[in-house]
Amino acid sequence: QMQLAESGGGVGQPGTSLRLSCAASGFTFSNYGMHWVRQAPGKGLEGVAVISKDGSAEYYADSVKGRFTISRDNSKNTLYLQMNKLRAEDAAVYFCAKGLTRGPYPAGAFDVWGLGTTVTVSS
Amino acid sequence: SYVLTQPPSVSVAPGQTARISCEEHNIEKKSVHWYQQRPGQAPILVLYDDRVRPSGIAERFSGSNSGNTATLTISRVEAGDEADYHCQVWDSGRDQPVFGGGTKLTVL
Repeated sequence: QMQLAESGGGVGQPGTSLRLSCAASGFTFSNYGMHWVRQAPGKGLEGVAVISKDGSAEYYADSVKGRFTISRDNSKNTLYLQMNKLRAEDAAVYFCAKGLTRGPYPAGAFDVWGLGTTVTVSS
Repeated sequence: SYVLTQPPSVSVAPGQTARISCEEHNIEKKSVHWYQQRPGQAPILVLYDDRVRPSGIAERFSGSNSGNTATLTISRVEAGDEADYHCQVWDSGRDQPVFGGGTKLTVL
């Protein structure tokens, strides 16, 4: 059974950093692009960052570019999101999601999602 | 960049058919994916590539994509279908997914 489990959420003050992790199981992690998607309270879904299956390519939403870094450790089946210079508008539930297809470019739908981890930004 | 427009809410009686739209200029040229999200839960993929159902998704869920509108159709609606539904495409110009604002389906 394919599963994703996020951790690392919590409360951060504006300008500080948090690191999220996502542990994958039940599938060959290194075969798929992986994604972070967030959802602010009462709002819709927003793509945050994408990483190719081998980690050679990363893509970011304009709202986080230069502040967030996505990475992965295929030997540990784990995805990460380093969040620096937090802003109030970064407060959300952060989901990691698995790309549906196995191609080198991580586009398309997401067929497995974690339960999410909550990030609160407050002074 | 893409802006996907969904109606904020759709209401339907049990047993009837619900249709949820997702609008963008020339959306028919894109592959549209649909997610169901119940309150407090993670999204679930219910359709991909406009009309393909993942394993385990009921045949009552179907999709279409033509012109400027993609549509998720839920036949014989059940109380358990009550949820938010999100459409999504991939923006290859920005290398990011784009989601609609979500539609809350209420089963009367």
